[in-house]
Amino acid sequence: SQQGEEDPQALSIQEGENATMNCSYKTSINNLQWYRQNSGRGLVHLILIRSNEREKHSGRLRVTLDTSKKSSSLLITASRAADTASYFCATGGGNKLTFGTGTQLKVEL
Amino acid sequence: NAGVTQTPKFQVLKTGQSMTLQCAQDMNHNSMYWYRQDPGMGLRLIYYSASEGTTDKGEVPNGYNVSRLNKREFSLRLESAAPSQTSVYFCASSEALWTDYGYTFGSGTRLTVV
Repeated sequence: SQQGEEDPQALSIQEGENATMNCSYKTSINNLQWYRQNSGRGLVHLILIRSNEREKHSGRLRVTLDTSKKSSSLLITASRAADTASYFCATGGGNKLTFGTGTQLKVEL
Repeated sequence: NAGVTQTPKFQVLKTGQSMTLQCAQDMNHNSMYWYRQDPGMGLRLIYYSASEGTTDKGEVPNGYNVSRLNKREFSLRLESAAPSQTSVYFCASSEALWTDYGYTFGSGTRLTVV
């Protein structure tokens, strides 16, 4: 069973625009992670935010976490065609990560 | 660095056949994992190994067995393949079991059971 659920399931934007995707989860967590998966490839770790953090930045990525609402958002600024991929949130609690079903992002030229 | 290497990349099996998926990591990570990815289901944990010499069941272990051969290698075996095991299988590793660490994934094995 999935802990995290991403929204929207699919997102299409123009290059240069910002992309925002959301993740909701059900139980308490130690941290939340975001991963990217290019078509036909494995997942790549993007960023980890701990339960006592509210916001974190990494390059063009900005992640927020609201533990009271059990939700997180991933913002990709100034998107590029190379950002086209599926993005997954993963919730960490205890000894394993539980992945959501992902958001498919398409960035068009 | 190669990271996490999985073999084979593609495989077609007949129902009832057996096979072993291989996984090796060169990052000196302690923990290793096997996931399967199915459309609309996300990634589901099959088995994991906290450290060399230990293995534990994940969310969907039925029909699979694993071996942590040494610190580097973690194999997944299908003893009698079924069409329901058609999936993409990913091996991953992390520095330690606790989820404060990001996972490093292999590029996957696409398995079709006919």
